[in-house]
Amino acid sequence: GENVEQHPSTLSVQEGDSAVIKCTYSDSASNYFPWYKQELGKRPQLIIDIRSNVGEKKDQRIAVTLNKTAKHFSLHITETQPEDSAVYFCAANNYGQNFVFGPGTRLSVLP
Amino acid sequence: DTGVSQDPRHKITKRGQNVTFRCDPISEHNRLYWYRQTLGQGPEFLTYFQNEAQLEKSRLLSDRFSAERPKGSFSTLEIQRTEQGDSAMYLCASSLATGISEQFFGPGTRLTVL
Repeated sequence: GENVEQHPSTLSVQEGDSAVIKCTYSDSASNYFPWYKQELGKRPQLIIDIRSNVGEKKDQRIAVTLNKTAKHFSLHITETQPEDSAVYFCAANNYGQNFVFGPGTRLSVLP
Repeated sequence: DTGVSQDPRHKITKRGQNVTFRCDPISEHNRLYWYRQTLGQGPEFLTYFQNEAQLEKSRLLSDRFSAERPKGSFSTLEIQRTEQGDSAMYLCASSLATGISEQFFGPGTRLTVL
């Protein structure tokens, strides 16, 4: 079955700096890769996603890149703000079937 | 509120008791997923339905866990003979079944087994 690894497990950056979180997956059939942000005590919220036919996607300060050959994808947050502090999860999915999540990255943006 | 809802939001029970949780998906979503999340971990897949059919169940899931979605709308997750290790947040999510589709999560039910 699919296995998703995520690094780093914790990340601290200064406000205004960039943050990068990386995930790798094992199943080459996976074709959808969402990223979720989860604040303490709240539900995971989708922040950006990418499909396997696309190499990069941007939404304001957030971007995701996908390397299908290497089976890894990354989340990039630029100009970080204190409200970006949260736990971020990546996931891999094959045609809407079982979603497999990474273990999460706790991002702290220091003012 | 047209999002995914879950009930109850919190449940405290004694070891050995049975508990049942309910999830109401977004109305037009025909896929429904159950996950378990423990502190510091990502959501762990338990099972998912497409309409009323249970299409996949985690091999790691104990026989004490059962889920239903009898009319293809709301779903229930039952845990029998609860153990302390069952303490976790139980999340429900829904999505459309047409190809690749975004999942929307509910607020979760936090279970504490004493």
